[in-house]
Formats: sequence, C-alpha cells, structure tokens
Amino acid sequence: AQTVTQSQPEMSVQEAETVTLSCTYDTSESDYYLFWYKQPPSRQMILVIRQEAYKQQNATENRFSVNFQKAAKSFSLKISDSQLGDAAMYFCAYSSGRGGADGLTFGKGTHLIIQP
Amino acid sequence: DTEVTQTPKHLVMGMTNKKSLKCEQHMGHRAMYWYKQKAKKPPELMFVYSYEKLSINESVPSRFSPECPNSSLLNLHLHALQPEDSALYLCASSPRGANTGELFFGEGSRLTVL
Repeated sequence: AQTVTQSQPEMSVQEAETVTLSCTYDTSESDYYLFWYKQPPSRQMILVIRQEAYKQQNATENRFSVNFQKAAKSFSLKISDSQLGDAAMYFCAYSSGRGGADGLTFGKGTHLIIQP
Repeated sequence: DTEVTQTPKHLVMGMTNKKSLKCEQHMGHRAMYWYKQKAKKPPELMFVYSYEKLSINESVPSRFSPECPNSSLLNLHLHALQPEDSALYLCASSPRGANTGELFFGEGSRLTVL
C-alpha cells in the first residue's frame, strides 16, 4: 500500500515571501502521479499542481512549483510571492498509474497561514 | 461545464432518519468517488464507481449505501447513522482511463447527525 507523509502540520509565512511545504511518499510502483491540492475554508479541494512520475522535469504553475526527487520519494511544493488567498490546508496526494481506479491517497495536510 | 455539484450543502438528520446525498457531473467522467472528511483530517476514501459499477468499497458500514444510476449521477443513501458519522462528504470524479489520476471535487455536503 502507498503512504503519503506530510511532516509539517502548520506553516506560517509573511505575505510576498516564499514557503516550501514538504511531502514524502512510499510506493513500489513505477508509474504514478503526485498532486498538491489546496482546501480553503470554503471546503472545495482545488488542484494546485500535478507531477507525472515518468517526467524528470519539475512541474510549475505560475507561483507554484515542485521539487520532485523520485529516488528520495520526495515531492515538495514551493509557493513564491505568497498571497493572502494562499491561506488554506494543503494536501499532498498520490495516485497510481491506473487511471484513477484507486482514487487518491492523501497526506495529513499542512495548514498554511499567511501573515499580512 | 467543469463542475462537480453536490446537494445539499448542509444536512442535519436524526439517527433514525433516511436521507440521501447527491452528486452530479457533466464532464463525461466515468469514475466517481465518495470521500469522508473529518475536521482537520485528510479525506478518506469510501467508495469508487468505475463505468457505473462499484469497484471499491473501503469496508464502509452498511448504513451508507452508494448508488450510481447513470454516468453523471452518484448518490449516497444514509440510514440509521451515528453521531460519529458527522463529517464533510466529498464527491469527486475523474476521466477514468485518461491516465492523469486527477480528481475533480465538489464543494461537499456537511452532515450533522444528532
């Protein structure tokens, strides 16, 4: 079974600064996907960024980027120029390469606080 | 239409009531999911439907009964629930077989069992 570990229950960052959220995972599969989802107090889970395991290049979406270290099974999220709207729970998630057949396995989440 | 719509947004029910949660998507996705989320915890997978057939049941108590009448609709029937079943119930869908693994989530139904 796959596991996802987020070791930072809470992080705080000043507005406009950069913050990195950590995630490690364990799997015996070679084909899989990794995600960061954001869940603001409004409850809806929103995809932030996706990484395919077979791609060596780190994914980037505007101010969000990942550092994917496949051998180390590490998948951290960097948020640059933090904004008040970035405040939320951030979940790291794993999906096997079976096209969503098994759903997502989530880490415990990191609560990100943005200080104005 | 890129939305997953869940109704109702809030539901309060007694332990003897029968109620249902509804989830709808019109993105042509062929996999749909129910997750349960307690406060300050990650979502926990309950059920997966793939091509309208139940493919995963994560040992969920029988007081939760899922139903997938068609490819766009997913229901969760609730009966004789316990107070500990109070939680946010999230529905999600994915383009099964598209090999992206990405799930699209609804806003959830907040359930309170008295």
